[in-house]
Amino acid sequence: DTEVTQTPKHLVMGMTNKKSLKCEQHMGHRAMYWYKQKAKKPPELMFVYSYEKLSINESVPSRFSPECPNSSLLNLHLHALQPEDSALYLCASSQFRLLSSYNSPLHFGNGTRLTVT
Amino acid sequence: SQQGEEDPQALSIQEGENATMNCSYKTSINNLQWYRQNSGRGLVHLILIRSNEREKHSGRLRVTLDTSKKSSSLLITASRAADTASYFCATDLREASGSRLTFGEGTQLTVNP
Repeated sequence: DTEVTQTPKHLVMGMTNKKSLKCEQHMGHRAMYWYKQKAKKPPELMFVYSYEKLSINESVPSRFSPECPNSSLLNLHLHALQPEDSALYLCASSQFRLLSSYNSPLHFGNGTRLTVT
Repeated sequence: SQQGEEDPQALSIQEGENATMNCSYKTSINNLQWYRQNSGRGLVHLILIRSNEREKHSGRLRVTLDTSKKSSSLLITASRAADTASYFCATDLREASGSRLTFGEGTQLTVNP
């Protein structure tokens, strides 16, 4: 079992719905990530939070809105999505030390399978 | 954009055989990582090799890194049916704002019992 918990496991939503994906970790990691993965493709980075601040936004459309309420939680708010946004959304976390060149590996959750109808 | 390219795209072997997957990348990196993904699950970190390292071992895994050729390989020895999964290399471009992992296209490994 993974130490990064994502809920829900599956989500079906219409294009006019508003929903949220949730991610939680208790490993004390200070960097958290959202990735999007289409079938048979690699994960694509969407957002990075470092010390609860948004540090990387990979030009993601505004219908995806991330939020990091505290060091253990990461949300992804969804609004007015398109069918092509259907994918597996993966959350990950890692240790992060601002003044260190050392990078630690990412710990991934099992993802939320999102279907937009 | 994905900077890693992996080959082969798919690999099918018998249990007990070795499996080798290759990864090439385009820019300078801080480190290179390999991950495994079972169908419908999240990714699991396997091994990290820093840019100043050439080879690393972990159990049945052996990773090499050639920064002059911008390439890496993952060798799984004595494969098992449970090794069936997708394998991704990921290049890490360390930035002040955090890790920017970019994944290769992946190799789908099937180990037949």
